[in-house]
Amino acid sequence: GDSVTQMEGPVTLSEEAFLTINCTYTATGYPSLFWYVQYPGEGLQLLLKATKADDKGSNKGFEATYRKETTSFHLEKGSVQVSDSAVYFCALARSSNTGKLIFGQGTTLQVKP
Amino acid sequence: DTAVSQTPKYLVTQMGNDKSIKCEQNLGHDTMYWYKQDSKKFLKIMFSYNNKELIINETVPNRFSPKSPDKAHLNLHINSLELGDSAVYFCASSQGVSYGYTFGSGTRLTVV
Repeated sequence: GDSVTQMEGPVTLSEEAFLTINCTYTATGYPSLFWYVQYPGEGLQLLLKATKADDKGSNKGFEATYRKETTSFHLEKGSVQVSDSAVYFCALARSSNTGKLIFGQGTTLQVKP
Repeated sequence: DTAVSQTPKYLVTQMGNDKSIKCEQNLGHDTMYWYKQDSKKFLKIMFSYNNKELIINETVPNRFSPKSPDKAHLNLHINSLELGDSAVYFCASSQGVSYGYTFGSGTRLTVV
């Protein structure tokens, strides 16, 4: 079945460091891919998305490129801030009527001043 | 105005009790979902409704019963609560898979 695998956390970085969180997926066809962010005590917020191969999603300095050949959707940011500390979830959805989102296990990011 | 609102935010109850969680969305979306997030932050879909019709029912104990009186509301009723039901339950809505979901802020259920 469809699945998403993210790198293990927690990831601890200093402010202004470069961030990469790896995400790979298993799915047939051409799923849509998403990154969600969950701040402490809050619900999930859509961070960015890509719906076809080679699309780049971007938002708030984060970006991720849909790589069909490597079945990956790695999240990157050039310079993290303390306020980026959160749990990041990679997810996929197949293009069907059910629209079920399948999530990776989440990666906790902690940014220190 | 909150787009997807859940009530209550916190729920502490004893084993064996019955409880409900309510969810409402004002986005005009056709599809609503319930997800369960466990203590390790893993998210798993439980149910989905499209225009009041049940379209996803994952392997969930039949003590859990969703109800959608209209497309803006999706409630979750849980009978005979067990310790293992302790989790954060998220409601979400969507207008189509390529748009992603809008999530509520969650209901933290603690069964003691």
